Amino acid sequence: DAGVTQSPTHLIKTRGQQVTLRCSPISGHKSVSWYQQVLGQGPQFIFQYYEKEERGRGNFPDRFSARQFPNYSSELNVNALLLGDSALYLCASSLDQGVDNQPQHFGDGTRLSIL
Amino acid sequence: AQSVTQLGSHVSVSEGALVLLRCNYSSSVPPYLFWYVQYPNQGLQLLLKYTSAATLVKGINGFEAEFKKSETSFHLTKPSAHMSDAAEYFCAVSGTSYDKVIFGPGTSLSVIP
Repeated sequence: DAGVTQSPTHLIKTRGQQVTLRCSPISGHKSVSWYQQVLGQGPQFIFQYYEKEERGRGNFPDRFSARQFPNYSSELNVNALLLGDSALYLCASSLDQGVDNQPQHFGDGTRLSIL
Repeated sequence: AQSVTQLGSHVSVSEGALVLLRCNYSSSVPPYLFWYVQYPNQGLQLLLKYTSAATLVKGINGFEAEFKKSETSFHLTKPSAHMSDAAEYFCAVSGTSYDKVIFGPGTSLSVIP
């Protein structure tokens, strides 16, 4: 079975631009989470979506938004890009967030560079 | 609120030696705890998870971790290091089933031949 797939793998933008990152979860997984990983640090939680509804939001400005589609794929949008948005953006999927806290399966990420 | 600290941003061990990576957590509710590994230019791979079923958790690639509530610790160990173990290791915690996962800052493991 295919794992979590993210596109594009690399992206270069300039300050002020907007970007959309895409994620396809593992087949059957209904929960998708987004993380930002700045070089040399651990991933920071941005959003979680389950059944197309936002279930959690981290401490990120409103320039960051996301959505989940009926097929459970997801997009992360970032507006008015800043140099500090340069990072690896990771998507993770899980069956759901049920009793056993299903472990999250991560994609390889999108490397976003802001010039 | 939950948080994670990892003592030692970089650990070096000789091939065949014991691997010990330290993790301490803070949680206001019984925690779920995880260890993930990240190889260069890749995403995170789950090594093991603690969900209150057993305090000693065995994971993939010969790794295991022990949950110690009194010490609020969840250290990762492997009896004998292999060159292929060189990577970044992240400890993570979440509080309830619907909580976000909080990651520690990571420990970079180097294995010396």
